[in-house]
Amino acid sequence: GAVVSQHPSRVICKSGTSVKIECRSLDFQATTMFWYRQFPKQSLMLMATSNEGSKATYEQGVEKDKFLINHASLTLSTLTVTSAHPEDSSFYICSASKGEGQNEQFFGPGTRLTVL
Amino acid sequence: AQSVSQHNHHVILSEAASLELGCNYSYGGTVNLFWYVQYPGQHLQLLLKYFSGDPLVKGIKGFEAEFIKSKFSFNLRKPSVQWSDTAEYFCAVRSYNQGGKLIFGQGTELSVKP
Repeated sequence: GAVVSQHPSRVICKSGTSVKIECRSLDFQATTMFWYRQFPKQSLMLMATSNEGSKATYEQGVEKDKFLINHASLTLSTLTVTSAHPEDSSFYICSASKGEGQNEQFFGPGTRLTVL
Repeated sequence: AQSVSQHNHHVILSEAASLELGCNYSYGGTVNLFWYVQYPGQHLQLLLKYFSGDPLVKGIKGFEAEFIKSKFSFNLRKPSVQWSDTAEYFCAVRSYNQGGKLIFGQGTELSVKP
């Protein structure tokens, strides 16, 4: 149990376009989902925390208008990178927890975004 | 600045060698501690976690970690590594003083030579 999927696993887009990444909890209801960004050979940096039905809480330095997060249901959260630029190229990972962030987070496989 | 620090960026060991990966954090108050592993091309998996109780916790695949509160440390150990342990290892801390967010260390790449 506690499987989290992400789609797509890999995406290449042109500069200026928008890209949507989906994160789904397959076998549990995720009250809280988290979005991380991981640069090569570096750690995961939390971008935002989203609770179902409410606005996401963004970490300092993360542009909320650039990284749009929607958590419309207990099993789905989406991250949209708007007007993507090459510096947005990265590995984006989501995680989901069953509670209010007190419980274990289950991680998705990640999405590799390359902006040309 | 408050942080999670992993001492080793890259560790290279031969099979059957013992492993210890260091992790220190600087958050006060109540913390939960985690070690995650990321095998090549795969997603993060939880190795073990500490919430309370016995400070020596055992995880999957023969890994264990010891929470030493006075040293703000949570080092990961394995008595005898295998080639299949080659992966990236991340220490993470959840501090209730930081709103319950998971803060990750910078990761340690472990390469085990067969």
